[in-house]
This record gives sequence, structure tokens and C-alpha cells, in this order.
Amino acid sequence: SQQGEEDPQALSIQEGENATMNCSYKTSINNLQWYRQNSGRGLVHLILIRSNEREKHSGRLRVTLDTSKKSSSLLITASRAADTASYFCATDAQGYSTLTFGKGTMLLVSP
Amino acid sequence: DTAVSQTPKYLVTQMGNDKSIKCEQNLGHDTMYWYKQDSKKFLKIMFSYNNKELIINETVPNRFSPKSPDKAHLNLHINSLELGDSAVYFCASSQDRDRGRLGSGYTFGSGTRLTVV
Repeated sequence: SQQGEEDPQALSIQEGENATMNCSYKTSINNLQWYRQNSGRGLVHLILIRSNEREKHSGRLRVTLDTSKKSSSLLITASRAADTASYFCATDAQGYSTLTFGKGTMLLVSP
Repeated sequence: DTAVSQTPKYLVTQMGNDKSIKCEQNLGHDTMYWYKQDSKKFLKIMFSYNNKELIINETVPNRFSPKSPDKAHLNLHINSLELGDSAVYFCASSQDRDRGRLGSGYTFGSGTRLTVV
């Protein structure tokens, strides 16, 4: 299966610290997307990185992609309590017609 | 104005019952999806419709029947509910079947938490 695997499963940090989450996948991809899910809510699209890109920034988010290792990381800098959520990677894999999501990393940012 | 809205938000029902979940999007998107999120937060695609036509039907029991009366609506009907159907069901939409994957991503509803007792 193409299912992505995020690690860690859970991450607990203090406000102001940086949070790094990783995603690994199995087959070749066209792009990889990151989503955030607040408790009791749907997923919200954060950022997309294409297979020919190595790094992308959006505000306090930095995403990297290493296609040789089939992995991506999401860095949230200067975290805030409002960043508390689950974060999912989703791959647009070659041969698949919908996005395939991982199991997510649960991030807890304490004030 | 909610972009993708699902009703109901919570659904508690007994085994063997039949229930429906409704989804509507006001984004003008062509493609809609149903995902099931289990207790471990794993999201699995169930169905996808493009402009009212079924394009993806993953290995889902035929007790689950999606219906799309128009491209803004995708409802999910479940017959003979079983304990294992308990999960959160998410409706999502994308501009079209390609741009959701390639560009703008999917827009999700807030989910319907189904509990079968």
C-alpha cells in the first residue's frame, strides 16, 4: 500500500519551540501534501510540495522532500498553543487516482 | 458560509439499522469523496464522484451506497449497520479529479461521528 507513515505518532512541546514531523511513503509520487486536523474537525490543506522540489516555505511552515529516501518533513517554527492538532501527510502517488493519507502525528503545544 | 457541510455531526444507532449521511459543497467543485477515519486516525478513501458519476469505489461492503443527485451533493447510505462501521466519516471535495491531487488539495467537511451500539 502507498499509505504514508508519519512519525512520531505524538509530539509534545512548549510554546515557542519548533516542531518537526516526518512522513515516509513507499512508491513514486507526483507531489506530497500536508494537512492539519483540529480536534473534532475536518482536515485543512496546509502546503503542497512537488516531486521536483526539495523545500517549500509558507509562513511558519517549512516542508522538505527527499524523493531518494521517499520521505518528507514538516517543520513548524515558533509553535503556538493554537498549533495543537494532528498533522497528516498525503501523497499523490503514481498509479493512484486519489490522495493517500498517513495516520498522522498528534502535536500538543503547551503554553 | 461553510464550504463542505455534513449532517448529522453525530449519529448513534443500533446494529442492523439503516442510516444516511448527507454532504453538500458550495465551492463549485466537480469532485467529491467519502473517507472513513478509524479510531487510530487512519483515513481511508471509500468513494469518489466526479460530476455526479462514480469514479472510485474502493473495497467497501455493498451495504454502503453513495448517491450524488448533483455535483454539489454526495450522500452516503448505510444498510444493516455493524459495530465495525463505527468511525468518523468525512466528506471532501476538490476542484476536479486532477487539481485536488496536483494543486489545490481537498476541502474537508467537519465529519460525522457514527457510533453503532
